[in-house]
Amino acid sequence: GQQVMQIPQYQHVQEGEDFTTYCNSSTTLSNIQWYKQRPGGHPVFLIQLVKSGEVKKQKRLTFQFGEAKKNSSLHITATQTTDVGTYFCAGFTGTASKLTFGTGTRLQVTL
Amino acid sequence: SAVISQKPSRDICQRGTSLTIQCQVDSQVTMMFWYRQQPGQSLTLIATANQGSEATYESGFVIDKFPISRPNLTFSTLTVSNMSPEDSSIYLCSVLNYGYTFGSGTRLTVV
Repeated sequence: GQQVMQIPQYQHVQEGEDFTTYCNSSTTLSNIQWYKQRPGGHPVFLIQLVKSGEVKKQKRLTFQFGEAKKNSSLHITATQTTDVGTYFCAGFTGTASKLTFGTGTRLQVTL
Repeated sequence: SAVISQKPSRDICQRGTSLTIQCQVDSQVTMMFWYRQQPGQSLTLIATANQGSEATYESGFVIDKFPISRPNLTFSTLTVSNMSPEDSSIYLCSVLNYGYTFGSGTRLTVV
């Protein structure tokens, strides 16, 4: 079945440092979504990427979808303590409405 | 986006008993999804609940263990039956808007 892996599993940064999480799928994705889950909270939708090579920005967050539509990345510039949480990518294959979540990257930010 | 009310938010249950989790959506939706998130892990889809038909279960999940009801387009329940400590997890319902909107989750501990 489809597998979606993320690296790193965990990263601890100092506030102000940049952070990147990488998402790799075993199969081609029709689109990819990113979610953030704060400690003790539920996943919250951040963004969806559809086109090959697409890049989208949300303030300090930059999302990229790979040319082959099998990988994606999320980059955070100048992290803040409010960025703490686990970031999940999640992909659709074909026309299915079923979303397969990545393994997640937990981000810890300290002052 | 849709707003989902999920309850209970948490429960501690004795092994061998059952717990029913409820999700109410503030708008009509065709499909509702039930996920499980084990401690420190990613989200795994349990089943997709369609109004007026049997739920579709993912590999490793069966109706006898996780019966689902979907009486109308705004409501669904998931029952965790004959619980064991291995069922201790967070259970989340979700609906698909542009991205997925999740309920706040039910944190289940089985003792």
